[in-house]
Amino acid sequence: GDSVTQMEGPVTLSEEAFLTINCTYTATGYPSLFWYVQYPGEGLQLLLKATKADDKGSNKGFEATYRKETTSFHLEKGSVQVSDSAVYFCALTSQGGGADGLTFGKGTHLIIQP
Amino acid sequence: DGGITQSPKYLFRKEGQNVTLSCEQNLNHDAMYWYRQDPGQGLRLIYYSQIVNDFQKGDIAEGYSVSREKKESFPLTVTSAQKNPTAFYLCASLPGRNNSPLHFGNGTRLTVT
Repeated sequence: GDSVTQMEGPVTLSEEAFLTINCTYTATGYPSLFWYVQYPGEGLQLLLKATKADDKGSNKGFEATYRKETTSFHLEKGSVQVSDSAVYFCALTSQGGGADGLTFGKGTHLIIQP
Repeated sequence: DGGITQSPKYLFRKEGQNVTLSCEQNLNHDAMYWYRQDPGQGLRLIYYSQIVNDFQKGDIAEGYSVSREKKESFPLTVTSAQKNPTAFYLCASLPGRNNSPLHFGNGTRLTVT
């Protein structure tokens, strides 16, 4: 079945550092890929998405590019802030559009220190 | 504003009691989902429903039950058969368009002692 693998956390960085959170996936066909963010005590919010190969999703300074050749969707940000501290989830839908829900990675806890 | 409302935010129950978690959405979305979140395990799908009066088991349905009598509502009952019910429960919904993102509620933290 489909699966998503993310780097283990917690990831601790200093403010203004460069961020990369790795995400690779296993799926049949051409899934859509998502990054969600979860702040403490809250649900998940969509951060960005990409629906086809070579698409780049971007939002709030975060970017991720859909790389089919390496089955990856790594999340990057050039200069992180303390307010970026949260748990980040990589996820995918099936080729059928995801009506049976998303498959999520286990999440990466990001801690940004001032 | 449209959204998904989960209530209550915190819920405490004694072992052996059934408990029902509420999920209501006013987004006019067709599909609704229940996920369970445990530390270090990400999100796991419990049940989902694509239309009213129909629902399917997810990956970890044992010990849970759901109903979908209205489009707006998808309550989850955690029964006494669930061996380890303490967790954070997230409800989500999805519009009918393919490849759309899930919209999540703010979750209910259930503690069973």
